[in-house]
Amino acid sequence: DSGVTQTPKHLITATGQRVTLRCSPRSGDLSVYWYQQSLDQGLQFLIQYYNGEERAKGNILERFSAQQFPDLHSELNLSSLELGDSALYFCASSVAPDRNTEAFFGQGTRLTVV
Amino acid sequence: GDSVTQMEGPVTLSEEAFLTINCTYTATGYPSLFWYVQYPGEGLQLLLKATKADDKGSNKGFEATYRKETTSFHLEKGSVQVSDSAVYFCALSRGGGSYIPTFGRGTSLIVHP
Repeated sequence: DSGVTQTPKHLITATGQRVTLRCSPRSGDLSVYWYQQSLDQGLQFLIQYYNGEERAKGNILERFSAQQFPDLHSELNLSSLELGDSALYFCASSVAPDRNTEAFFGQGTRLTVV
Repeated sequence: GDSVTQMEGPVTLSEEAFLTINCTYTATGYPSLFWYVQYPGEGLQLLLKATKADDKGSNKGFEATYRKETTSFHLEKGSVQVSDSAVYFCALSRGGGSYIPTFGRGTSLIVHP
């Protein structure tokens, strides 16, 4: 158990809908990362938050947004969903955004858009 | 930008065979290098890491050496087990203010009894 909790584990929704994925980082970790894992694109970095503030953005679509709350949990919002958004979405956390620091991953949310 | 290139899989081996999974990287500065492992249905977990040139990371019989001259961090294990079947990801995290781990595409390892 990594200590990172993601809910829900599975989500099936229709095209055009909006969903929210939730992540609770490990106790004491201030930095949260979101990744999308798909068969053809591998593990793609979406966005990073540190202590409530956006720190870095990767290949995140405009239809996607995220935030980190004062209690440090984070939510990833996906809207106007398309079939191609079907993927595993991982949250990871670390103590701080440092080059030597290991990231701890949750078990992921599997999103299926039908 | 930063990138990590891994050998494509799947890699299929018999139990007790020698394993090598190649990984090369492109990054400015002096990145830290990591290997993560993902077992079926689970998230990624750190297997080993190395933070400077010539460092060797090791864990659970796996080893990888940070080779700056060849920008490589190949994963090796002398004798694989069926339980090692998983997807292995090479990753880097560099300095200069951007500490986002960048991952390779992953290499699937299948070990047969």
